[in-house]
Amino acid sequence: NAGVTQTPKFQVLKTGQSMTLQCAQDMNHEYMSWYRQDPGMGLRLIHYSVGAGITDQGEVPNGYNVSRSTTEDFPLRLLSAAPSQTSVYFCASSYRWTGAYEQYFGPGTRLTVT
Amino acid sequence: EDQVTQSPEALRLQEGESSSLNCSYTVSGLRGLFWYRQDPGKGPEFLFTLYSAGEEKEKERLKATLTKKESFLHITAPKPEDSATYLCAVQAAGGATNKLIFGTGTLLAVQP
Repeated sequence: NAGVTQTPKFQVLKTGQSMTLQCAQDMNHEYMSWYRQDPGMGLRLIHYSVGAGITDQGEVPNGYNVSRSTTEDFPLRLLSAAPSQTSVYFCASSYRWTGAYEQYFGPGTRLTVT
Repeated sequence: EDQVTQSPEALRLQEGESSSLNCSYTVSGLRGLFWYRQDPGKGPEFLFTLYSAGEEKEKERLKATLTKKESFLHITAPKPEDSATYLCAVQAAGGATNKLIFGTGTLLAVQP
């Protein structure tokens, strides 16, 4: 199993540009989520999904869109990049969406918006 | 409001010098408390899940314990390869999904 994979590893955008961060898992996990990690702050939840076709907002959803058309894939779209979105983004998945199941994280995408 | 606080922010140990990291939490009912290890430039790596006060789990030089208000990650005779950031997260029992609330982590440096 590859686990949770993310692409790209690094990305530089100009303000106003859009892009999609890709996330895939091969563990048949129900729950998938996107976090951002900023210095001095804990990982913060952006959006999550409890199954194909079902998504919801987390703590910091503004400026981001998600969709989940398959169990495996959960892309994160930045609609119009802003410098405040400079961060490291992690995708995670867990076996079920209820119950205290551990989440498995991808390697991250480091995004810089200039 | 659900909250997780980790201390210290940073810890420097000599190889073999045992110590503990603290994770204090405030949550409206605990479904689970998670410990992760994060190496520079990598994603968090799962270590342990604790579910109820009094529970303990061990893995190599690491032992995690849980009380009703906090968790400790004890590191016995650490080695330089234990150097990493250790993250604590909680899942509240009242939530409909397994959303996690993370602390800001403890950066551990073990010197040879």
